[in-house]
Amino acid sequence: GQQLNQSPQSMFIQEGEDVSMNCTSSSIFNTWLWYKQDPGEGPVLLIALYKAGELTSNGRLTAQFGTTRKDSFLNISASIPSDVGIYFCALNGTGANNLFFGTGTRLTVIP
Amino acid sequence: DAGVTQSPTHLIKTRGQQVTLRCSPKSGHDTVSWYQQALGQGPQFIFQYYEEEERQRGNFPDRFSGHQFPNYSSELNVNALLLGDSALYLCASSFYDRGSGNTIYFGEGSWLTVV
Repeated sequence: GQQLNQSPQSMFIQEGEDVSMNCTSSSIFNTWLWYKQDPGEGPVLLIALYKAGELTSNGRLTAQFGTTRKDSFLNISASIPSDVGIYFCALNGTGANNLFFGTGTRLTVIP
Repeated sequence: DAGVTQSPTHLIKTRGQQVTLRCSPKSGHDTVSWYQQALGQGPQFIFQYYEEEERQRGNFPDRFSGHQFPNYSSELNVNALLLGDSALYLCASSFYDRGSGNTIYFGEGSWLTVV
């Protein structure tokens, strides 16, 4: 079946550092989504990517859709304590709300 | 404008019991999906409702069932609860717009503990 692997599984960084995480799939997809989940809350969409090679920014966040359409990365610049949480990549399934989530990267920012 | 709201936020049930979780979608949204998120894992798609019918289903047994009402709100029912059903249950809603596509919003979830 479909696999969506994220790395690293967890990261501990100092406030102000840049962060990079990535996601790889076993199949080709047309849309990559990045979500963040804070403790006790549901996932919130950060960035959506729709074309191979696309590079999109949202504030301090930048994500790219890999040219092979099997991978994507998310960068966070100048991390702050509120960046703490779990970051998930996700792909659209065949339905409108059918998302397939990755394994997640847990980020801890040390003040 | 309220987002996706779910109830209850936390509940504890005994093995073999039945549970009903409720979801009100974001205003204007007509499609609702349910996800199960076990501790330390990503959410897994259970099923999706549109126009009061189940449209898609993930790899979950028939013990998991749902319903969508005319006002687009939805319920998730789980029968014959197992310990492994302990998880955060997330509701997501969306509305397809030709210009902006389909943005999915999640609720804060219902924490179910089965003992």
